[in-house]
Amino acid sequence: DGGITQSPKYLFRKEGQNVTLSCEQNLNHDAMYWYRQDPGQGLRLIYYSQIVNDFQKGDIAEGYSVSREKKESFPLTVTSAQKNPTAFYLCASSMPQGKTGWNSPLHFGNGTRLTVT
Amino acid sequence: KNQVEQSPQSLIILEGKNCTLQCNYTVSPFSNLRWYKQDTGRGPVSLTIMTFSENTKSNGRYTATLDADTKQSSLHITASQLSDSASYICVVSAGDKLIFGTGTRLQVFP
Repeated sequence: DGGITQSPKYLFRKEGQNVTLSCEQNLNHDAMYWYRQDPGQGLRLIYYSQIVNDFQKGDIAEGYSVSREKKESFPLTVTSAQKNPTAFYLCASSMPQGKTGWNSPLHFGNGTRLTVT
Repeated sequence: KNQVEQSPQSLIILEGKNCTLQCNYTVSPFSNLRWYKQDTGRGPVSLTIMTFSENTKSNGRYTATLDADTKQSSLHITASQLSDSASYICVVSAGDKLIFGTGTRLQVFP
């Protein structure tokens, strides 16, 4: 059964610590994305990757880092430089977007809720 | 400024009733409009994707409409079920960007 797996579902960390969120997909999708969801706000794009070994900053990349060493995996590291890291993080994947824009549907994982105290 | 606004913010209905959620957008250039359903604590799931030329699209009890002239979309839910309780998110594709609305929180009570 194809899908996107995010782990862990809940994560608690002390302020000042880096933390890595896992995202794995078996949909054979080239493109993968990380979004952040906060109450009362629309999803905001952190990073995205259209192909292995390449990734681009989204709208709110500061304080985050990613890697894309394998097609199936796109881990997100929340660093101590991120000022407000407590949030619900969503990973998504899709077929490559066309040159004219975002035309392929996004498939989301079930998220990781990160709490930093 | 590209913007997607949804109304109402929240909605409570009784099981079996119909409801309509609204999405207004100011986005350019417009590529497509999507509706997602997000259960509490889960990731969004795609309901429909509508392009400029599509006025109506159905997915079971969900029917989305798009008026590209007035830049409005609606999601109509027929004969609501308890499992329809969720947030419904409108997303508009603007060239190389996706603009997300803040969602409508729907609660269906027995």
